[in-house]
Amino acid sequence: DTAVSQTPKYLVTQMGNDKSIKCEQNLGHDTMYWYKQDSKKFLKIMFSYNNKELIINETVPNRFSPKSPDKAHLNLHINSLELGDSAVYFCASSQYSYPSEQYFGPGTRLTVT
Amino acid sequence: DQQVKQNSPSLSVQEGRISILNCDYTNSMFDYFLWYKKYPAEGPTFLISISSIKDKNEDGRFTVFLNKSAKHLSLHIVPSQPGDSAVYFCAASNQAGTALIFGKGTTLSVSS
Repeated sequence: DTAVSQTPKYLVTQMGNDKSIKCEQNLGHDTMYWYKQDSKKFLKIMFSYNNKELIINETVPNRFSPKSPDKAHLNLHINSLELGDSAVYFCASSQYSYPSEQYFGPGTRLTVT
Repeated sequence: DQQVKQNSPSLSVQEGRISILNCDYTNSMFDYFLWYKKYPAEGPTFLISISSIKDKNEDGRFTVFLNKSAKHLSLHIVPSQPGDSAVYFCAASNQAGTALIFGKGTTLSVSS
């Protein structure tokens, strides 16, 4: 029974397209996150939501828009995709905002051609 | 500006021996530290954590040591097993922010 799931696992698309990545957690956690792992393998926070409210919004282009329809879901929508958006995107959740271990989904590998 | 550094990109250890993975941090406001393990094509998996009020936390074969004065933590795996071969990430956080700040990872290879 998957705790944090993401769809799709792989996404290949052309520059200029709009795409979404979905994330769901069945752990009953209050906080959800999006991280980006770039080509240098750094994992960096993009957004954090607590009870459907945005609490962290790092310096991410506003082409990226997270949407949380309910506590168990945090989707990531990306407009006008660029080559530099190619990366692995991880969704995560935690029971509390702090301190709390975060549980990660399997990742979505986005390739922009 | 890396606030969490894992200076060893890789580590090779024989099965049954101890693996020691190191992590340094620069932000003295960090007060909660975690280790994650990651296999290829999977998400990071939480291993063990430690609060800054402690200097050691143990869970089975895994022990994390924290030296606040040196801003250094380490993960000890004893005994190491081939299944421990993975990338290990050190992460830190504080009350001011909920996000985890990750190091670049150390690839551990355990040979049988």
